[in-house]
Amino acid sequence: DTAVSQTPKYLVTQMGNDKSIKCEQNLGHDTMYWYKQDSKKFLKIMFSYNNKELIINETVPNRFSPKSPDKAHLNLHINSLELGDSAVYFCASSPTPDRGYGANVLTFGAGSRLTVL
Amino acid sequence: AQSVAQPEDQVNVAEGNPLTVKCTYSVSGNPYLFWYVQYPNRGLQFLLKYITGDNLVKGSYGFEAEFNKSQTSFHLKKPSALVSDSALYFCAVRLPYSGNTPLVFGKGTRLSVIA
Repeated sequence: DTAVSQTPKYLVTQMGNDKSIKCEQNLGHDTMYWYKQDSKKFLKIMFSYNNKELIINETVPNRFSPKSPDKAHLNLHINSLELGDSAVYFCASSPTPDRGYGANVLTFGAGSRLTVL
Repeated sequence: AQSVAQPEDQVNVAEGNPLTVKCTYSVSGNPYLFWYVQYPNRGLQFLLKYITGDNLVKGSYGFEAEFNKSQTSFHLKKPSALVSDSALYFCAVRLPYSGNTPLVFGKGTRLSVIA
């Protein structure tokens, strides 16, 4: 029943490791996002995909690589993890833009808390 | 560039009292404005949005927000707060027909409703 599901929910790892977070949505949405929420709860867009095509790529280190095998999945792979990568990562999805493009509501997953030691 | 400001990090209110969580925006045009709520260890949930039309927008859980163009504000309100309303609230803005520009969130305001 979960609309947007992320795995794992918690991830603890050492600096320098490579890790992935997976996201799946069963809402039939065409657009998916990754947001990063830092320790101060500030929420910042990282990436957005529409129908498997990258449409937003904010200033994010190239150690972060999103992959969308199909429009229902958007995974986030992080290479050479650093202490500053510790955060909660949220996946979200939204429907295809309507006539009032930009009015679409985002549905968020529960988040994946990454801790880099 | 579009941005939102939530001037209060924390708002405390007694249960049963009215609550207001403030949001002001900065965009060059008519914005789409949103409120989302985040409960502990959960993702953000949509509360309400302003697109056009009536300046007073009603949303989930008895919340409402008023769009004020002259003051560039979109404050969230509820007539009678519940303890269960305690959460982190985010205001967000986007320009319509703005291509691929993302939804921009404020830094969040933590609401504590005290019994």
